[in-house]
Amino acid sequence: TQLLEQSPQFLSIQEGENLTVYCNSSSVFSSLQWYRQEPGEGPVLLVTVVTGGEVKKLKRLTFQFGDARKDSSLHITAAQPGDTGLYLCAGDPRKNSGGSNYKLTFGKGTLLTVNP
Amino acid sequence: DAGVIQSPRHEVTEMGQEVTLRCKPISGHDYLFWYRQTMMRGLELLIYFNNNVPIDDSGMPEDRFSAKMPNASFSTLKIQPSEPRDSAVYFCASSLSLQGFGTEAFFGQGTRLTVV
Repeated sequence: TQLLEQSPQFLSIQEGENLTVYCNSSSVFSSLQWYRQEPGEGPVLLVTVVTGGEVKKLKRLTFQFGDARKDSSLHITAAQPGDTGLYLCAGDPRKNSGGSNYKLTFGKGTLLTVNP
Repeated sequence: DAGVIQSPRHEVTEMGQEVTLRCKPISGHDYLFWYRQTMMRGLELLIYFNNNVPIDDSGMPEDRFSAKMPNASFSTLKIQPSEPRDSAVYFCASSLSLQGFGTEAFFGQGTRLTVV
């Protein structure tokens, strides 16, 4: 079983602060996705990273995939109350998009609260 | 499009009763996924379908769980008999292709199941 460990489990900060959350595994993933889930809703995809060392930016959010494709980080600059939610990472172990053994594995998430 | 539609949103049932969860995927999506989310185990993939055919049900916890997809616009997840440990939020998701490698899965709002 390929596990994704997310840290911290809970994070409560003030509006305007910066933060970084982590997603780590001992296994290699061919791609990794980040989702945000708000209370009472399903997860919503934020980004997919596929290349080791890749960095993607989405407004104030910066996503990085580790060189060895075993870990990823999400950095939020100047957090806002609207960033509050559960941030989930999910890894795909397949070697190519058409491969078998599909088993998208989710971490348990980081619950972020941004206080005004 | 209205997105992935799940019903009911909430279900409370007594132990031993049959429970049926319903899902309408986004029109044109070839893949449909059923997930279960708990605090302890996070988001787990139970089963997924491609073009209405079950591809991998290895995530289904036991024989009490069954899923069907009689046509491209409808799927059910049935638990019979239900047990208190089945209490969780069950999500349905659909996508144009397998998740990962840039493809996006769209999640419904989930069904919160409580078995007493």
